[in-house]
Amino acid sequence: DAGVTQSPTHLIKTRGQQVTLRCSPKSGHDTVSWYQQALGQGPQFIFQYYEEEERQRGNFPDRFSGHQFPNYSSELNVNALLLGDSALYLCASSFRGSRGQTDTQYFGPGTRLTVL
Amino acid sequence: GQQLNQSPQSMFIQEGEDVSMNCTSSSIFNTWLWYKQDPGEGPVLLIALYKAGELTSNGRLTAQFGITRKDSFLNISASIPSDVGIYFCAGRTTHNSSGSARQLTFGSGTQLTVLP
Repeated sequence: DAGVTQSPTHLIKTRGQQVTLRCSPKSGHDTVSWYQQALGQGPQFIFQYYEEEERQRGNFPDRFSGHQFPNYSSELNVNALLLGDSALYLCASSFRGSRGQTDTQYFGPGTRLTVL
Repeated sequence: GQQLNQSPQSMFIQEGEDVSMNCTSSSIFNTWLWYKQDPGEGPVLLIALYKAGELTSNGRLTAQFGITRKDSFLNISASIPSDVGIYFCAGRTTHNSSGSARQLTFGSGTQLTVLP
């Protein structure tokens, strides 16, 4: 049973560029959440996707956008990259189902983004 | 917004010693979670707590959900070298009756070093 997978593992971009990160949830999970983890800090919630819609959003600008596909996988897009966007980007998946109760979140290994 | 204060920030202990760390919040949480993160990896769930006053164990790990729902602690007994890593607490709230808001708020982490 594959856990949460993310790609790529590492990425280097320059200021102003755009980046797309990808996540495949754990088998049986239908909800994907994205987090940003700066060095030495805990993860910060970016947004959550369920049924291909953004359901909740943290305190992040519109430069951060996402998408969820019918197979529950997800992408995180960041436009106009800033130096401060350098971080580990974590994807977490969980099961929500029709009852609306979300199961515990399981994290992927993350994508390390460096903005130069 | 919600904030979690996690302490201590770092700990150096001898192998075999017991460890205790805690989290406090200015807000009430419905769920408390404890994660461990190794370098280059995503957080791995250790223990989940769902009821105020709940005490749950997972091997040498024991965690409690505070009665006020604003705090939680994690104990590790008889520490071993593989306990080294960063431990994060995380709280989760339910914003409405359908439980649709399930973002996690993380503490800043406790870096644990186990000396031989």
